[in-house]
Amino acid sequence: AQTVTQSQPEMSVQEAETVTLSCTYDTSESNYYLFWYKQPPSRQMILVIRQEAYKQQNATENRFSVNFQKAAKSFSLKISDSQLGDTAMYFCASAPNFGNEKLTFGTGTRLTIIP
Amino acid sequence: DTAVSQTPKYLVTQMGNDKSIKCEQNLGHDTMYWYKQDSKKFLKIMFSYNNKELIINETVPNRFSPKSPDKAHLNLHINSLELGDSAVYFCASSSGTRSNEQFFGPGTRLTVL
Repeated sequence: AQTVTQSQPEMSVQEAETVTLSCTYDTSESNYYLFWYKQPPSRQMILVIRQEAYKQQNATENRFSVNFQKAAKSFSLKISDSQLGDTAMYFCASAPNFGNEKLTFGTGTRLTIIP
Repeated sequence: DTAVSQTPKYLVTQMGNDKSIKCEQNLGHDTMYWYKQDSKKFLKIMFSYNNKELIINETVPNRFSPKSPDKAHLNLHINSLELGDSAVYFCASSSGTRSNEQFFGPGTRLTVL
């Protein structure tokens, strides 16, 4: 079984600043994937970044990067040079490392970028 | 081209009615999913199909019945709608490879009055 916890229901930050969203997880799987999804007001679920648990190197995608601490079961998302378009709900999720498995989501963090 | 599409995007209906939500993906994926997002934004898996076969069936009332006529389509039929069924329902698909990246549809907001 997998559980994902996001302890920050809401965050806000000034435009162009850096913000970090926290996520912790628990899993009985020996290998797994971790994800951050973004849900803007349009409701669309958009994959932001993905991390394979067996890879030690932290994933990066342009302004988005993660800090993956496997021993601590922590998977935080850092957004650099935040933009107004980053305003959204952000969901952390996990899935076992084989296909056809469900995503287990955290409760989400509502991020607001202030102009 | 839309990768995962759902119809309708909005559905308002009376309690007790039966309704269906349709999902189609043109990504060539083998696996499709239904997730429910409640009023607090919490997302939870409902069902998963792989090549038209049911592989995940979470604890969902049997008023909910998924149907997969082919691997590109996964529909959700709901009987005897209740107020608590009001939510956003997302369809998703994945290739079933190790990356397990899932692509989501735009969601269907169901409102039961």
